[in-house]
Amino acid sequence: SQQGEEDPQALSIQEGENATMNCSYKTSINNLQWYRQNSGRGLVHLILIRSNEREKHSGRLRVTLDTSKKSSSLLITASRAADTASYFCATDGRETSGSRLTFGEGTQLTVNP
Amino acid sequence: GAGVSQSPSNKVTEKGKDVELRCDPISGHTALYWYRQSLGQGLEFLIYFQGNSAPDKSGLPSDRFSAERTGGSVSTLTIQRTQQEDSAVYLCASRHWGGRVETQYFGPGTRLLVL
Repeated sequence: SQQGEEDPQALSIQEGENATMNCSYKTSINNLQWYRQNSGRGLVHLILIRSNEREKHSGRLRVTLDTSKKSSSLLITASRAADTASYFCATDGRETSGSRLTFGEGTQLTVNP
Repeated sequence: GAGVSQSPSNKVTEKGKDVELRCDPISGHTALYWYRQSLGQGLEFLIYFQGNSAPDKSGLPSDRFSAERTGGSVSTLTIQRTQQEDSAVYLCASRHWGGRVETQYFGPGTRLLVL
């Protein structure tokens, strides 16, 4: 079952603008991972942030984690049309076996050229 | 191989038939996961392998679903007597166990349509 929630569910912006997506979860975690999915197929790993980290950067991506609020945000700066995709957060919960991931509902991002 | 591969890419079957979905993980990854993504259900965990053993099968939706892994590598997910509600994208992921790399790497998925 889904225990994560993401907002917004859908986001439409112009090329060059920044896009921010939020994720909330319910249990204690080892880490939180963000993935991108194009056209309902395979998931591409973007970034992983551990529970003892608060912020992480990778290229145009910036992820924050607030374990006290059980929330994370993904910021994509200077967006491009190629960033159009669905974005999912996934948590590796401390109580779940084998580091299986629990996914959020996803945010559909559309970047208009 | 360089990444996780899955076959077939697409599978159309008739209700009541059995199907087998294959996953080839990244070489050396001891942990392998199956997930399912269906409309209205999001991404849900099915089963997890550590080597050839499956310590967690709690996500398998019914006894029509089974999976095995041989040689610590290839895994097969079998769905018997398929139903229309089994239509979904089945995703496989693998990861290295131990060390600091915790990322799960996903394959392209198998899109299953049960008519």
